[in-house]
Amino acid sequence: EAGVTQFPSHSVIEKGQTVTLRCDPISGHDNLYWYRRVMGKEIKFLLHFVKESKQDESGMPNNRFLAERTGGTYSTLKVQPAELEDSGVYFCASSRSDRGLYEQYFGPGTRLTVT
Amino acid sequence: SQQGEEDPQALSIQEGENATMNCSYKTSINNLQWYRQNSGRGLVHLILIRSNEREKHSGRLRVTLDTSKKSSSLLITASRAADTASYFCATVAGRRALTFGSGTRLQVQP
Repeated sequence: EAGVTQFPSHSVIEKGQTVTLRCDPISGHDNLYWYRRVMGKEIKFLLHFVKESKQDESGMPNNRFLAERTGGTYSTLKVQPAELEDSGVYFCASSRSDRGLYEQYFGPGTRLTVT
Repeated sequence: SQQGEEDPQALSIQEGENATMNCSYKTSINNLQWYRQNSGRGLVHLILIRSNEREKHSGRLRVTLDTSKKSSSLLITASRAADTASYFCATVAGRRALTFGSGTRLQVQP
């Protein structure tokens, strides 16, 4: 089966611009998670979708970040306007509904550079 | 300190040697998981140990969990150059998302 895919793999934008990251989870996985790793620090949780609903968005840093998962398939994470401190690697992960507490399958990440 | 802190931050060993990485956490957990990240790649799930388990093996991996000390260790035996990667512990407590540590960078010299 195809793994979790993320697009783009790398994005370089200027401060104040908008960027949209996309994640395609493994087919049939109801749970979709966004994480990010900033400046080589620990990987931090951003939010969790169950199908199209936001189950937990407590990790979203501020209202410049907007995540959607229309139709419960792929998800997008928009950063608008981007700030320098948003630079980092954004990971998406998915898991089956009955294994939400267990293995999560991660995508390769999107490296975001804000200049 | 952060939930899921790994120790050491970096480790360099020779091929064939064993590598031990430690992880500490702060809150009660449902389970603890170890992930590996090769440079430029995504995170790969290695092993999961539940809160009521004390030790688990998977191939060359051995994980221990001490809930009284809120700590875990990952042992990689007979290391190979291909084991070079960053290793992260992650805990699950209550909500379904993972809480990661900052990782240990392992370098295995051929």
